Amino acid sequence: NAGVTQTPKFRVLKTGQSMTLLCAQDMNHEYMYWYRQDPGMGLRLIHYSVGEGTTAKGEVPDGYNVSRLKKQNFLLGLESAAPSQTSVYFCASTSERGGPFNTEAFFGQGTRLTVV
Amino acid sequence: AQTVTQSQPEMSVQEAETVTLSCTYDTSESDYYLFWYKQPPSRQMILVIRQEAYKQQNATENRFSVNFQKAAKSFSLKISDSQLGDAAMYFCAYRGFQGAQKLVFGQGTRLTINP
Repeated sequence: NAGVTQTPKFRVLKTGQSMTLLCAQDMNHEYMYWYRQDPGMGLRLIHYSVGEGTTAKGEVPDGYNVSRLKKQNFLLGLESAAPSQTSVYFCASTSERGGPFNTEAFFGQGTRLTVV
Repeated sequence: AQTVTQSQPEMSVQEAETVTLSCTYDTSESDYYLFWYKQPPSRQMILVIRQEAYKQQNATENRFSVNFQKAAKSFSLKISDSQLGDAAMYFCAYRGFQGAQKLVFGQGTRLTINP
């Protein structure tokens, strides 16, 4: 009964380094999302995927890349980290709209990333 | 594009009292879902309550209820008999029926419960 699992939970990067955040869900959800959370700004969508092999840009995509090679996994990459990318990152998944009880989004535990 | 606005960055209430958190949204869709999520210091995102736009009846979950005004595009959360465990950040969110059906969040309201 894992739900959505993000790894790692914490990370400190130096400016210019790269890293990949992994999101894994075991609910067979079609839709997966990456958000960043900053004080006073809520959660802002970075990239999302509506199915295996698909990705699309969200509200704040610059500096990030994503891949969804397998339905259960959604990867978020930072090729050259910048201090402005210091944030808490959340992955979420949902099923397609099909009724009133499967609309809930399930979230990972979040990843606190600090870029120095 | 849909937007969600929470105009109260912080709210506080005495334990056992009632508090209302405000949320407004903007959309051109006629069918959609609205949610309130709670985020305690653990960072976990917890669904508090959901509302389907096609339902006129306001959703209720124990001490939590909403006032959904579709024409005014308003979706407030009322917490009755506030408890210390209710202290958290609360986010209002919108999910449309079209396109990627992604969740759009408001800026959040930090709720403090005073003993």
